[in-house]
Amino acid sequence: EAGVAQSPRYKIIEKRQSVAFWCNPISGHATLYWYQQILGQGPKLLIQFQNNGVVDDSQLPKDRFSAERLKGVDSTLKIQPAKLEDSAVYLCASSLVPASRTYEQYFGPGTRLTVT
Amino acid sequence: AQSVTQPDIHITVSEGASLELRCNYSYGATPYLFWYVQSPGQGLQLLLKYFSGDTLVQGIKGFEAEFKRSQSSFNLRKPSVHWSDAAEYFCAVGAPQAGTALIFGKGTTLSVSS
Repeated sequence: EAGVAQSPRYKIIEKRQSVAFWCNPISGHATLYWYQQILGQGPKLLIQFQNNGVVDDSQLPKDRFSAERLKGVDSTLKIQPAKLEDSAVYLCASSLVPASRTYEQYFGPGTRLTVT
Repeated sequence: AQSVTQPDIHITVSEGASLELRCNYSYGATPYLFWYVQSPGQGLQLLLKYFSGDTLVQGIKGFEAEFKRSQSSFNLRKPSVHWSDAAEYFCAVGAPQAGTALIFGKGTTLSVSS
């Protein structure tokens, strides 16, 4: 079974530029999450999708961050314009809910963003 | 507010020695509890989880964790550490409803000395 795929793995941009990250969840997983992991911190949820609908985006800085999940499969997370404090690893995760009661979230390798 | 505290930022253990990583949580009800491990450049891998029932749960790679409701703790243990266990370990809590997002602690970095 293929895992959660993310690209790119690394990205360096200058502040005020824009950037986009892509995530392909495990096939059949209805729920998709984007987490932000700042160096020295645990992952923090940015947005959660159930199929192609948003379940929770309360911690997404909507003035600069946007995310979509078209057709309930792949997802993109965009930052425009980027700030220095956006430097972090962006993790995508997926889970099988609601078809299963299993709670496990499967994480991708992450995209490491450096804003200079 | 819901939160997870991992009191130890960095721990060094000799290879072959036992390990205990601490995790305390603050939650309104009994949450679902998890331990994840993250190796450099890798995503998070689930070590074990507690939903209900037996408070001592076994995980992969020889890890176990014990849920203590009275102490709001979910400490991770391993009887004999291997050099390959060096990584960052995250404790997380989730609401007792499948599909909700997790709240993570800040992590504990484990170094293993020979």
